Amino acid sequence: AQSVTQPDIHITVSEGASLELRCNYSYGATPYLFWYVQSPGQGLQLLLKYFSGDTLVQGIKGFEAEFKRSQSSFNLRKPSVHWSDAAEYFCAVGMDSSYKLIFGSGTRLLVRP
Amino acid sequence: GAGVSQSPSNKVTEKGKDVELRCDPISGHTALYWYRQSLGQGLEFLIYFQGNSAPDKSGLPSDRFSAERTGGSVSTLTIQRTQQEDSAVYLCASSPRQGLPYNEQFFGPGTRLTVL
Repeated sequence: AQSVTQPDIHITVSEGASLELRCNYSYGATPYLFWYVQSPGQGLQLLLKYFSGDTLVQGIKGFEAEFKRSQSSFNLRKPSVHWSDAAEYFCAVGMDSSYKLIFGSGTRLLVRP
Repeated sequence: GAGVSQSPSNKVTEKGKDVELRCDPISGHTALYWYRQSLGQGLEFLIYFQGNSAPDKSGLPSDRFSAERTGGSVSTLTIQRTQQEDSAVYLCASSPRQGLPYNEQFFGPGTRLTVL
């Protein structure tokens, strides 16, 4: 069965430090990959997505992610974290002929001043 | 323009009572989804609507859960005889075209349901 794993439940980084959030998926074909961010009391906002082509994708708020087929990974990165980036981040996978997204359990990012 | 809205934002109910959760999608969006987010968990797909029909209800956890959509717009998720394990945040999302994975889903803020 298809699945998404986010191995880090919590991550704490200092403001200005770099960030990498891990995401691994299980799916036999090329997936559609997404990263969403959820701030407290807010709905999910799409940060970026990968469907095909260049494996390094740029998103909003200075985030980027790289699709690595050999590792079944789609890790999210940001070179310099801001305090406003503190939130919960969800990786999700979509599949051909399916409309539903399968989400990971999320990573909560805390930012130290 | 207005995003996806959900009401109520919070709902506290007693075990055994019925609840209705409402979702107003973005105007013109034909696809609508319900997800459930339990504490410490990711989002669990519940049901998908294309227009007023629900081609996939497979995510509904039991027959106590039902949903409808009218006028290709507003959707209501109903939970009958609520149980404590139903406590979660219920999220609604809409998409402008037929629900396929490459169509971005726009999420509402969710309804936090607490069953005492």
